[in-house]
Amino acid sequence: AQSVTQLGSHVSVSEGALVLLRCNYSSSVPPYLFWYVQYPNQGLQLLLKYTSAATLVKGINGFEAEFKKSETSFHLTKPSAHMSDAAEYFCAVTWNDYKLSFGAGTTVTVRA
Amino acid sequence: EAGVTQFPSHSVIEKGQTVTLRCDPISGHDNLYWYRRVMGKEIKFLLHFVKESKQDESGMPNNRFLAERTGGTYSTLKVQPAELEDSGVYFCASSQQRGGGTEAFFGQGTRLTVV
Repeated sequence: AQSVTQLGSHVSVSEGALVLLRCNYSSSVPPYLFWYVQYPNQGLQLLLKYTSAATLVKGINGFEAEFKKSETSFHLTKPSAHMSDAAEYFCAVTWNDYKLSFGAGTTVTVRA
Repeated sequence: EAGVTQFPSHSVIEKGQTVTLRCDPISGHDNLYWYRRVMGKEIKFLLHFVKESKQDESGMPNNRFLAERTGGTYSTLKVQPAELEDSGVYFCASSQQRGGGTEAFFGQGTRLTVV
């Protein structure tokens, strides 16, 4: 069955350090890929998406993700973490263009 | 422009009772989706409307769940009777189109607790 896996349910980083969140999908057919973020007491907000154009995708708030077909991955990075990045992050994929399959989520805490 | 709005934000009900969740999509969005996150698990797809028609309800857990979208505007999700395992966060999303990686806009979710 097609699925998406986020490695690590919790990530703790120091302010100013690199943020790296991992996402892998299981399929020989590349899907559409998304990263969503949920800040406390808010809904899911789209950070960025990959739709078969450039493999390096830039999103909001300084985040970017690189699609690597050979590794079936779409890892999310931010060079320098800010306190406001504390949130839960979800990788999501769709192969049939409407039904999203989500990873389990990664909670990011940022240490001062 | 208003985003996707969900009511209520929280609901605590007793097992066996009925609860109705409401979702107001972004104006003009024909596509409306319901998702659910049970504690500790992934966010799971429940169903998809295009206007007032159900396109895909393959994710609905059982016949205790009933979703409607009268007139192709707002949608309701009724759980009757509620069971303990129905507790979780119910998200609604909407999109203008489907296909090509169209972004779905999500609401804040309704946190349902069945006691």
